[in-house]
Amino acid sequence: ETGVTQTPRHLVMGMTNKKSLKCEQHLGHNAMYWYKQSAKKPLELMFVYNFKEQTENNSVPSRFSPECPNSSHLFLHLHTLQPEDSALYLCASSQGDLPYEQYFGPGTRLTVT
Amino acid sequence: GENVEQHPSTLSVQEGDSAVIKCTYSDSASNYFPWYKQELGKGPQLIIDIRSNVGEKKDQRIAVTLNKTAKHFSLHITETQPEDSAVYFCAGFYSGGGADGLTFGKGTHLIIQP
Repeated sequence: ETGVTQTPRHLVMGMTNKKSLKCEQHLGHNAMYWYKQSAKKPLELMFVYNFKEQTENNSVPSRFSPECPNSSHLFLHLHTLQPEDSALYLCASSQGDLPYEQYFGPGTRLTVT
Repeated sequence: GENVEQHPSTLSVQEGDSAVIKCTYSDSASNYFPWYKQELGKGPQLIIDIRSNVGEKKDQRIAVTLNKTAKHFSLHITETQPEDSAVYFCAGFYSGGGADGLTFGKGTHLIIQP
């Protein structure tokens, strides 16, 4: 098991719902990431936070809203999603001064109905 | 930005044989290349990585080689075992233009036949 946990592990939501994904890292890292993993596509980087500051927003639609209250917690707030947003959402963390070695959580399997 | 191509998409080998997965990258500025293993229902797990100042790195049954001139790197697994069955992802780290992060290949589904 890695030191990165994600909740919930599974989520089904309607297009008009609002929900949040949570990630927590117990590794003492300073950078956290959200990735989207869809079938038949490479992992896509969504957001990067380094020392709680957002340093990357990879052209993600505004219906996805990240929040990083401290270096151990990361949230992804979801609202008015589309069915094509159904995917596995993965959180990762790394040392702030070593962005290379990223450690992933188990992911949240999201289904939008 | 970076583009990473990975081949093959599926690889089936007999238990005990070797497996090789290959990746190419487009940006010569990329300087870090990790490999991840993802089992069903789990997140990707970092298994080995290599930096651009090194040509080869080994860790027990797994090794990674890097050819900077040709811009390709490979994962080698020797004496394969059933627990090696998983999806393997290569990645390249790109830094510049305001975009720092890993660009992943599409993955290789490795199947170890008993």
